[in-house]
Amino acid sequence: EDQVTQSPEALRLQEGESSSLNCSYTVSGLRGLFWYRQDPGKGPEFLFTLYSAGEEKEKERLKATLTKKESFLHITAPKPEDSATYLCAVPSGNTGKLIFGQGTTLQVKP
Amino acid sequence: DTAVSQTPKYLVTQMGNDKSIKCEQNLGHDTMYWYKQDSKKFLKIMFSYNNKELIINETVPNRFSPKSPDKAHLNLHINSLELGDSAVYFCASSRKGGAANVLTFGAGSRLTVL
Repeated sequence: EDQVTQSPEALRLQEGESSSLNCSYTVSGLRGLFWYRQDPGKGPEFLFTLYSAGEEKEKERLKATLTKKESFLHITAPKPEDSATYLCAVPSGNTGKLIFGQGTTLQVKP
Repeated sequence: DTAVSQTPKYLVTQMGNDKSIKCEQNLGHDTMYWYKQDSKKFLKIMFSYNNKELIINETVPNRFSPKSPDKAHLNLHINSLELGDSAVYFCASSRKGGAANVLTFGAGSRLTVL
């Protein structure tokens, strides 16, 4: 069964303190790994798609990387506005169904 | 312009009642989805429609009935509401229904069943 597990569940950082979020996945035939950001009271917002092991993508202070078993979201010198829940997801089958992890809630304190 | 809009944003109702949530997208996407997010923020797909045709129907009670009058709209009707139905329901859309397609989500509709 396709599965996605994220860790940690919650992460508190001081502004400027870099860290990484983990997303481990089990899927029969990876067709992409997605990262989304969700702010309180809003829907998830797309960040990145990674397709193959070794691929990296960057956006401002965020960098996503992918291996054959997991993906990391590295946050460099975070700012309070980076506080949000970060979700990763993988497609299951060919119907567009996404399997989401439970998310990591990041809080960055000034 | 809001890309994916859902109404209402909040619903508070009693057990046993029936309620509907409406969703509209102005992105020209072919596929629309309903996801449910529980109190632990776990997002799970319920249904998807591709150009008005039902594509995904997860193990969801028959009390939940989606309807897509056209490819820009996907509504969700829930009969005989139960306490466990309390959650945030997200509508989303994507260009196609294939595997690696980016979803655009609405802001969510928070349903509270008392």
